[in-house]
Amino acid sequence: DGGITQSPKYLFRKEGQNVTLSCEQNLNHDAMYWYRQDPGQGLRLIYYSQIVNDFQKGDIAEGYSVSREKKESFPLTVTSAQKNPTAFYLCASSIGAMNTEAFFGQGTRLTVV
Amino acid sequence: KNEVEQSPQNLTAQEGEFITINCSYSVGISALHWLQQHPGGGIVSLFMLSSGKKKHGRLIATINIQEKHSSLHITASHPRDSAVYICAVRVTGSARQLTFGSGTQLTVLP
Repeated sequence: DGGITQSPKYLFRKEGQNVTLSCEQNLNHDAMYWYRQDPGQGLRLIYYSQIVNDFQKGDIAEGYSVSREKKESFPLTVTSAQKNPTAFYLCASSIGAMNTEAFFGQGTRLTVV
Repeated sequence: KNEVEQSPQNLTAQEGEFITINCSYSVGISALHWLQQHPGGGIVSLFMLSSGKKKHGRLIATINIQEKHSSLHITASHPRDSAVYICAVRVTGSARQLTFGSGTQLTVLP
């Protein structure tokens, strides 16, 4: 079955540590995205990538980093510079950037302890 | 002011009721999406539309481009429809995919 896989589903991190969230897709999609979801707010774009080896900052990129070395993979690193990292993180992909259906992963809930 | 506004924020209905969730936006768009998020957090795309009306089972989505408004209707609601419904728009000329509303929490009671 084609789809997007995020892992892990739940993640706990000690304050001051970096942590990497995995996102893999086997849909052969060019575009991939990372969103953050906080209670009562819409999803906010962290980073996006339209092609391998290229990515762009979204609205809330500070404290995060990404890489796109392979078409199917778009890992997100939450660094210690992110002031409020506890949130629900969603990865998505689409064939292209314009007027195409988006497919979402199941999300990773990150808690900083 | 958010570019995408949904109403209501919370909605409780009895099983069998007809449900309407509204979405208004203030920007030019090329497409509008309705998404469903279940308690586990995963999101499923329900509809993508740029004009008119689409129907899938008990779900109907409409959009009025001139009024910048879309509605999601659920007929004969069921407790399994309980979820957060999210409206998202693709802003014209934007390569950054979607701008999201804050969601409507729907609870359907048996």
